[in-house]
Amino acid sequence: KQEVTQIPAALSVPEGENLVLNCSFTDSAIYNLQWFRQDPGKGLTSLLLIQSSQREQTSGRLNASLDKSSGRSTLYIAASQPGDSATYLCAVHKGFQKLVFGTGTRLLVSP
Amino acid sequence: DGGITQSPKYLFRKEGQNVTLSCEQNLNHDAMYWYRQDPGQGLRLIYYSQIVNDFQKGDIAEGYSVSREKKESFPLTVTSAQKNPTAFYLCASIVGGSGNTIYFGEGSWLTVV
Repeated sequence: KQEVTQIPAALSVPEGENLVLNCSFTDSAIYNLQWFRQDPGKGLTSLLLIQSSQREQTSGRLNASLDKSSGRSTLYIAASQPGDSATYLCAVHKGFQKLVFGTGTRLLVSP
Repeated sequence: DGGITQSPKYLFRKEGQNVTLSCEQNLNHDAMYWYRQDPGQGLRLIYYSQIVNDFQKGDIAEGYSVSREKKESFPLTVTSAQKNPTAFYLCASIVGGSGNTIYFGEGSWLTVV
């Protein structure tokens, strides 16, 4: 059974810091991996999608990497801002159109 | 604008009642999903549908039912058999295949009173 773990569960940083969020999964046979952002009481917004054949994806200040062999992905956020405060979830696509989600990392960026 | 609309945003259920959560998408997506999210936990799959008139159970389908009579609609009924229904419910859709981005609605809060 695929299990997805995110560490740390919560993170608090001052504005301007670069930070890394971690996601690990137990079964490397995945189609792709996706990172999401969730604001309190809201739905999920897709940030980055990494295909299984790719090593990384970038969007603005965000960079996500994928190492299937070790079952790990990282989300790097450069020059963090208070508006980045949210919960970040990773999910792996395993099987046709089925996702397994991690429990998320709650990020707080202080001004 | 294209997107996924969930309603109602907040719903209160009395013990023994069935309630239905609505999910409508105008993205022309093939597959639709229902997830449940409990505080501090990840999302768990309740049901999913790949095409009209077909749906499959997810990991926690007991106490829930769905229908997929139209491509754009995938309502979820929380039945009285669901013993702990208080949670945040999220509907999602994807155009097809596992290489595409999944899109989510804004969610519905269900509370048992």
